[in-house]
Amino acid sequence: QVQLQESGPGLVKPSETLSLTCTVSGVSISSYYWSWIRQPPGKGLEWIGYMFYSGSTNYNPSLKSRVTISVDTSKNQFSLKLRSVTAADTAVYYCARSYGSGSYPFDYWGQGTLVTVSS
Amino acid sequence: QSVLTQPPSVSAAPGQKVTISCSGSSSSIGNDYVSWYQQLPGTAPKLLIYENNKRPSGIPDRFSGSKSGTSATLGITGLQTGDEADYYCGTWDSSLGAGVFGGGTKLTVL
Repeated sequence: QVQLQESGPGLVKPSETLSLTCTVSGVSISSYYWSWIRQPPGKGLEWIGYMFYSGSTNYNPSLKSRVTISVDTSKNQFSLKLRSVTAADTAVYYCARSYGSGSYPFDYWGQGTLVTVSS
Repeated sequence: QSVLTQPPSVSAAPGQKVTISCSGSSSSIGNDYVSWYQQLPGTAPKLLIYENNKRPSGIPDRFSGSKSGTSATLGITGLQTGDEADYYCGTWDSSLGAGVFGGGTKLTVL
């Protein structure tokens, strides 16, 4: 059974770096594509970016200058770093799996973790 | 402002049918497959439809999807109170080089 679980600080100060980890169980991370998606409170979904286990990545152009997604295959985990955060980055952050890049659907999602940006 | 346009809300009575539209462009819906997600209150989105009209295992055939040109539609028949949720369409936009979603549609089963 495939499961994804996000973890990381729930509170980040403005201008600092948001760091989250997604732990994958039930399947090897060395397959599929792995994404981060966020949802501001009361708003819609925003795709942040994805990575393949080989290390190749693709980021949303609107966030590209501040985002890094990386993988640790030994721990079956992948991570998100979002630099120079502001209140606009407050959101529930989800990790998700897809079979491929592009329009491949997200078939497994983590439960999500709320990150609040505030001093 | 979302790249894909959905109505903010739709409603219908139990047992009835409802459709939710998703409008895009030639570089998004017109150029690639569409997926649909159901988000029950307080939970993560769940894949309902992929490749325009395919249902993952376990999704009842009350849910259907279609695509024509730069628009897609989600249909739900035999509405149940448990279908009350937010529904999102998603695809890839080749012009933006990014995954994109609609703003979401809140379904109310009266």
